[in-house]
Parts: sequence; structure tokens; C-alpha cells
Amino acid sequence: KQEVTQIPAALSVPEGENLVLNCSFTDSAIYNLQWFRQDPGKGLTSLLLIQSSQREQTSGRLNASLDKSSGRSTLYIAASQPGDSATYLCAVYSGTYKYIFGTGTRLKVLA
Amino acid sequence: GAGVSQTPSNKVTEKGKYVELRCDPISGHTALYWYRQSLGQGPEFLIYFQGTGAADDSGLPNDRFFAVRPEGSVSTLKIQRTERGDSAVYLCASSLGGGNQETQYFGPGTRLLVL
Repeated sequence: KQEVTQIPAALSVPEGENLVLNCSFTDSAIYNLQWFRQDPGKGLTSLLLIQSSQREQTSGRLNASLDKSSGRSTLYIAASQPGDSATYLCAVYSGTYKYIFGTGTRLKVLA
Repeated sequence: GAGVSQTPSNKVTEKGKYVELRCDPISGHTALYWYRQSLGQGPEFLIYFQGTGAADDSGLPNDRFFAVRPEGSVSTLKIQRTERGDSAVYLCASSLGGGNQETQYFGPGTRLLVL
């Protein structure tokens, strides 16, 4: 059974810092992995989708890497801003129609 | 174009009542998914529709939960005899065809509170 873990559960950093969010999964047989952002009281916004054949994806200040064999992904946020404050969710897709989500990392960037 | 929309955005009901939650997927998307997100948790899969049929309903917690998609577009999640433990955010997502390489696009969710 696929399980997804995110560390840390919460993170507070000063503005301008580079930071890394971690995601691990137990079954390496995945089709893709997605990072989402969730603002309080809002739905999910897809940030980056990494297919199983890819090692990383970049969008602006965000970079996500995938090491399928070790069951790990990281989300790197460069030069963090207060507007980055949100919960970041990692989800893996194993071809069974459903994403399996981690419990998220709550990020607060202090001005 | 318009994204996935869900109504109502918030629903407060009393224990034992019946509720319906609606999802409008992105136009042209044949695959539709329902997830439930409890406080402090990640979303958990409930049911997947391909067209009008429920291809996988393994995530529905019990027979009080039921979902339909009669015309292959709008879907309704129905909860009978609501319990306080049903309080959660119910998220709907859609994808173009349900393929393994596709992105699922999520709606804003319906926040259900059962008193």
C-alpha cells in the first residue's frame, strides 16, 4: 500500500531564504508525482508535475526533483516571499485512478 | 477557460440530515474524481467516474455515501444520515481522459460541517 510522508510538518522562515520541502513514498512504482499548494480555505493549485521518467521540473522560483528508486522528491523554493506562505502537498499517482497525498508542510514566510 | 467549480462552497447541516454536493468539471473532461480532506490531513480518494459510470468507488467509506454523474458532466456526491465525522472538505477534480500521464485539476472544495 502506497504511503506518502512529508517532512517537516511545519516550517517558518524569514523572507529571502531558500528552502527545501521533502516528500517520501513507500512504493516506487509510480507514474507521476505532483506538488500542490493549498491556501487556507481554498482548493488545490498544481505547482509542478513530474513524470516517472523525469528527474526534475522547474517553474519560476520552484524546482521539484524526483528520485523514484529511493522514493523521494524535494520541492525547492528559491528566495522565499511572504506570498509563498501556504500548505504544500505532495501526491503520487500509481495508475490506480487516485492520487495518494501526504499530510502537507505548512510554510510561513516572515516579512 | 473555466476551471472545476463546486457548490456550495460551505454547507452546515445537522446530524442525521441528507446533503448533496455538486461538482462541475472542466468542459470536455471525461474523468472526474471526488476526494475528502479532513482537518490537518491530505485529501483521500473517494470515487472515480469515467463518463457516466463509476469506475472505482473503493474509497467511499460506507453506504451512506453515493455519487452520480448521469450525463457524464456534472457530478453530485450525496451523503445520507450525516454524522459529525463526515465534517471535512470535499474536493472534486477532473482530467481530460483519465490517463496515467494526465494532471488532475482540483476545484475549490465544499466545506461540510455537521453539527
